[in-house]
Amino acid sequence: KAGVTQTPRYLIKTRGQQVTLSCSPISGHRSVSWYQQTPGQGLQFLFEYFSETQRNKGNFPGRFSGRQFSNSRSEMNVSTLELGDSALYLCASGQGGNEQFFGPGTRLTVL
Amino acid sequence: GENVEQHPSTLSVQEGDSAVIKCTYSDSASNYFPWYKQELGKGPQLIIDIRSNVGEKKDQRIAVTLNKTAKHFSLHITETQPEDSAVYFCAAGEDYGQNFVFGPGTRLSVLP
Repeated sequence: KAGVTQTPRYLIKTRGQQVTLSCSPISGHRSVSWYQQTPGQGLQFLFEYFSETQRNKGNFPGRFSGRQFSNSRSEMNVSTLELGDSALYLCASGQGGNEQFFGPGTRLTVL
Repeated sequence: GENVEQHPSTLSVQEGDSAVIKCTYSDSASNYFPWYKQELGKGPQLIIDIRSNVGEKKDQRIAVTLNKTAKHFSLHITETQPEDSAVYFCAAGEDYGQNFVFGPGTRLSVLP
């Protein structure tokens, strides 16, 4: 069974731009979560989607948004990029319970 | 909200020795405690987890213990091997969902 895939793997943007990251969960998984990983703040929860509905949300500004499609694929959008948004963005999928499996992440650099 | 602390931040052991990483949490509502291993350039990988109704769980060379009263849990790796070298994260969460609070991580180096 294929694992969680994230595209693109690397991305360079400039301040003020917006970006969309994509995540394809493991087949059969209905839950997708997004995390931001930085050296200073560590792993921080952004939001979780289950069956196209946002089930949980972390403490991030409204510039960070997401959605989930009927095939469970998910996208995350960050608008008006700031330098501090440079991070590894990780997606994880699960069957709805606690267990989750992470993808390799998208490395976003904001210049 | 939940706060998870993790110690030590770095740990070096000789191959074959044991390694112990400790975490504490603050929210008594947390009842699911996973441990993840992250290798360079990869996403975190779940290696073991424990729920609050269990005090200890073991999987081959890896074990996790939980003291719910003291709000701390620990990862034990025995007979360490060089391939155990990675960053290990503990986390705490509630009954369902993936809204976890992670510890800051422990960089484990196993020296041959």
